[in-house]
Amino acid sequence: NAGVTQTPKFQVLKTGQSMTLQCAQDMNHEYMSWYRQDPGMGLRLIHYSVGAGITDQGEVPNGYNVSRSTTEDFPLRLLSAAPSQTSVYFCASSQPGGPNYEQYFGPGTRLTVT
Amino acid sequence: RKEVEQDPGPFNVPEGATVAFNCTYSNSASQSFFWYRQDCRKEPKLLMSVYSSGNEDGRFTAQLNRASQYISLLIRDSKLSDSATYLCVVNVLGDKIIFGKGTRLHILP
Repeated sequence: NAGVTQTPKFQVLKTGQSMTLQCAQDMNHEYMSWYRQDPGMGLRLIHYSVGAGITDQGEVPNGYNVSRSTTEDFPLRLLSAAPSQTSVYFCASSQPGGPNYEQYFGPGTRLTVT
Repeated sequence: RKEVEQDPGPFNVPEGATVAFNCTYSNSASQSFFWYRQDCRKEPKLLMSVYSSGNEDGRFTAQLNRASQYISLLIRDSKLSDSATYLCVVNVLGDKIIFGKGTRLHILP
């Protein structure tokens, strides 16, 4: 099992560019989520999904879109990158009943927006 | 009041000492509680869940006080390898998990 994988590991964008951060898991987990982590701010929930076809907003959803067409994949789209979106992005997954169970995190994507 | 609050530290303690972290949460209906550990530039990993009756895993003890809305983590006989950031995590209600900002721990040789 690869667990939770994220690509790319590093990315530099110019302001206004768009891109998709990829997240995939091979554990057949229903619950998946995206977080961003900034110095001194901890992890903040961007979007989450309780299953294929179902997504919902977290604490800081503005500027991001998600979709969940399969159980395995949960991509995060930045529509028009801004310097405020410079951060480390983590994807996580867990079994059904997600928030009550262990969250498995991917290795993170380090994004810089100039 | 923030939903989950932790003392950011850093806590600098000598090897072998006992160290305690506290975390408070604002929503009395919160359902599940966890401690995660995060090493520098790595992803968070589950350290232990926190149960109502308290639970222990080796040198680590977690406690939950629902009346006062706080959870704690005690590390006994601390090792150099315990140096990390410790994240308090709460399932506030339903499907959302909220992370505290984390407490940095440095174990000094």
